[in-house]
Amino acid sequence: AQKVTQAQTEISVVEKEDVTLDCVYETRDTTYYLFWYKQPPSGELVFLIRRNSFDEQNEISGRYSWNFQKSTSSFNFTITASQVVDSAVYFCALSGRGSTLGRLYFGRGTQLTVWP
Amino acid sequence: GAVVSQHPSWVICKSGTSVKIECRSLDFQATTMFWYRQFPKQSLMLMATSNEGSKATYEQGVEKDKFLINHASLTLSTLTVTSAHPEDSSFYICSARDLSFGTGGNSPLHFGNGTRLTVT
Repeated sequence: AQKVTQAQTEISVVEKEDVTLDCVYETRDTTYYLFWYKQPPSGELVFLIRRNSFDEQNEISGRYSWNFQKSTSSFNFTITASQVVDSAVYFCALSGRGSTLGRLYFGRGTQLTVWP
Repeated sequence: GAVVSQHPSWVICKSGTSVKIECRSLDFQATTMFWYRQFPKQSLMLMATSNEGSKATYEQGVEKDKFLINHASLTLSTLTVTSAHPEDSSFYICSARDLSFGTGGNSPLHFGNGTRLTVT
């Protein structure tokens, strides 16, 4: 069974602080994909990253970075120097491969609030 | 870039009526689309996989007679909430996979902007 756990329900930080959002997943598939999405109050899902299970390289994109640790089944997301506009709900998601790619299993999300 | 259009963005309906939500891929063909449901302050739950030209595949616990899915063309899937009740009030969001990049792991996945349904 596919399962994603985001243990942090809510996080509050002050602007310019760094913040890490945790994501732990469970799957029996040997090939799978991990995603992070941002959901602002308006509701749409903003794609942040997709990573396949064979690529354990960490990735940095501007203020965002992701740490994929297959050994601990974690795919954590760090925002450096947070800004008020980063306030949103962030979802980690898992998908299988092939025809099941696209059937996403989401974590329950982490509400991030960045205060000025 | 590729976009998935979802319509309407929000809808209010009376209990007992049916509501149709459209999910359209604007510049790519989508043989497979996915429908999710999100209750307030909760996660997105996959409801069903919509397959062009064939029956949808529903997740366990989702009533297929309640949530009718039709994927009649390569660019359009519809979700009809039949005989809606207040407990059906939720945020519904669709996604589509752009297979023009192949069926492998590089095929992009695009989400619509969602439909907020309120049943009074």
